[in-house]
Order: sequence, then structure tokens, then C-alpha cells
Amino acid sequence: DIQMTQSPSAMSASVGDRVTITCRASQGIGNYLAWFQQKPGKVPKRLIYPSSSLQSGVPSRFSGSGSGTEFTLTISSLQPEDFASYYCLQYNNYPQSFGQGTKVEIK
Amino acid sequence: QVQLVQSGAEVKKPGASVKVSCKASGYTFTGFYIHWVRQAPGQGLEWMGRIYPNSGDTNYALRFQGRVTVTRDTSISTAYMELNRLTSDDTAVYYCARGDLADWGQGTLVTVSS
Repeated sequence: DIQMTQSPSAMSASVGDRVTITCRASQGIGNYLAWFQQKPGKVPKRLIYPSSSLQSGVPSRFSGSGSGTEFTLTISSLQPEDFASYYCLQYNNYPQSFGQGTKVEIK
Repeated sequence: QVQLVQSGAEVKKPGASVKVSCKASGYTFTGFYIHWVRQAPGQGLEWMGRIYPNSGDTNYALRFQGRVTVTRDTSISTAYMELNRLTSDDTAVYYCARGDLADWGQGTLVTVSS
């Protein structure tokens, strides 16, 4: 199985900060990676699929990059509504696998 | 629009089984995978398995193989996830999601408690 290592597991940031979250795959997955946002008590929302394609309706401050084994999700200027948990998901091989998640909290 | 509506919350005793349903509407049910993902309280997302409704083909995460069964009834556009031999570690919200995971059900809380 492919292991997805996501970092950091948690972070504190301020409104307006640039935030970068990294996901590393235990083997190459091409660009078969998606990013999700989840707020407490809510259903996960897909932000990016595949690795750099923004879902329709997602603000342009979100961006994704990477291929192979290393991927990043960047929020260029953190907004109050962006405080949430973020997960990567590889779908190159089955079983699919999520990263452990990154909780972005208010500093 | 695409909708996935899941069955209601369940409370089960250790050792029992649970079967969660996911009724799809707004698209051709047989044309897209249905995935099952769970989330234990305060924990991350965990992919469990998937089914291709057209053929019934399934794939499961290794840690659930032998304990989970995903099925479908195409006549009513519904997928099912059955998990056996429940323990307290299976207490979680269980989600179904369509195809490329852009669309999710509302989640079903399964509580395992004696």
C-alpha cells in the first residue's frame, strides 16, 4: 500500500499568512493526488483534483503543485473561513490512502 | 443535482455487524464508483473500500479485508457497506462518496458500545 505522509500535523497561523502543507507519497503516484478541506462537524470538501487543478468555486488563493512523490497545498493569504483541517488523498493505486491531516488553527 | 443520502445513526454492541446504506440520485448510478470513507472521533479520514455499481467489482483497504463488504442494488441506486465483528475502535462517522470524491453523503455515525 502507498503511505501518504502529511506535514505539519497542526499549525497556527494568522489571517493573511501564506500557508504551505506538504504531502509525501511512499512511491510515485504521478499527479493522482487530491486535496480536501474539512471543517468541524462537516463533510469533507474537495479543493484540488488532480494535484494542481482547482475545483470549480474554490477561491484562487488555494493552489496545489507537485508530482511523483511530493506535493504541496498553498493558501496564499489565509482567510478566517480557511481555518479547518486539510487532507491529501492519493488515488493512483488501490487501496487509495489519505494523509493524516493538517489542522490549521488561529494564532 | 448529485445527492447521496445515507441511512441514520446506529448503536451496536461489540461483535455485532452494521450495514449502512447510501442512496444516490441526480446522476447515472452505474457510471461512477461509490467509495466508503470513515472518520473516528477526532481522527483523520480513512478510505475503506469502493464498488463499481455497473459490474459490482469491489476493492478494499487491506486492514478491512475479511470484515467489510460493499454491495449495491442498482434497481434502487443504493450502495451498502457492511462491517462485521465490530469493536469500540469502529466507532466513527462513515461516509459514502461518488467517483472522484467530489460528492459525499452526509455521514452516518456508528457507535459501538456495550
